[in-house]
Amino acid sequence: ETVMTQSPATLSVSPGERATLSCRASESVSSNLAWYQQKPGQAPKLLIYGASTRATGIPARFSGSGSGTEFTLTISSLQSEDFAVYYCQQYSNWPQTFGQGTKLEI
Amino acid sequence: QVQLQESGPGLAKPSQTLSLTCTVSGGSISSGGYYWSWIRQHPVKGLEWIGYIYDSGSTYYNPSFKTRVTISVNTSKNQFSLMVRSVTAADTAVYYCARESLAGEALDPWGQGTLVTVSS
Repeated sequence: ETVMTQSPATLSVSPGERATLSCRASESVSSNLAWYQQKPGQAPKLLIYGASTRATGIPARFSGSGSGTEFTLTISSLQSEDFAVYYCQQYSNWPQTFGQGTKLEI
Repeated sequence: QVQLQESGPGLAKPSQTLSLTCTVSGGSISSGGYYWSWIRQHPVKGLEWIGYIYDSGSTYYNPSFKTRVTISVNTSKNQFSLMVRSVTAADTAVYYCARESLAGEALDPWGQGTLVTVSS
């Protein structure tokens, strides 16, 4: 199966700063890559699909890029509500697989 | 807007069958264009895709579950269900249902999740 590796495991950033999260696939997933945000006690929430398309209602400070095996999620100016765990997921190859997550902390 | 809600026992005994149901509201499960999915989240192993079903009844499962898993749909009740047989402590997790677009728009929305503990 396609292994998704996220880095770093934990990212410490101050509010207002930019955060860059990485996701690497063990084989090409084309642009079939999604990013999710998960807060404690909540389900994951879709942020980005197709590697770079924001889901409905997602603020423009969230952006995704990449294709093939290397992907990036950028949060341009961190707000207090953005501190959470972020997961990438590939849905190109079967079975679908998720990364282990990056915890974004203050 | 479409909402999903998981329901079922929060406790299962080892070797028995875990059964969960996802109720879809705000839209019809028969509308087409979507797969109806189950995902679980282990405290340590993270997120794991279990499988999905189309409204026609076609199913696709993660091979790691081999033949232990069955997903079914009840269009008259606007529900789909998950059964995991021969459970062990390793099946203890939060189980989520979610909708996946055939158009490649990933998993959205998700249910709130339900914790299932496997213990005697």
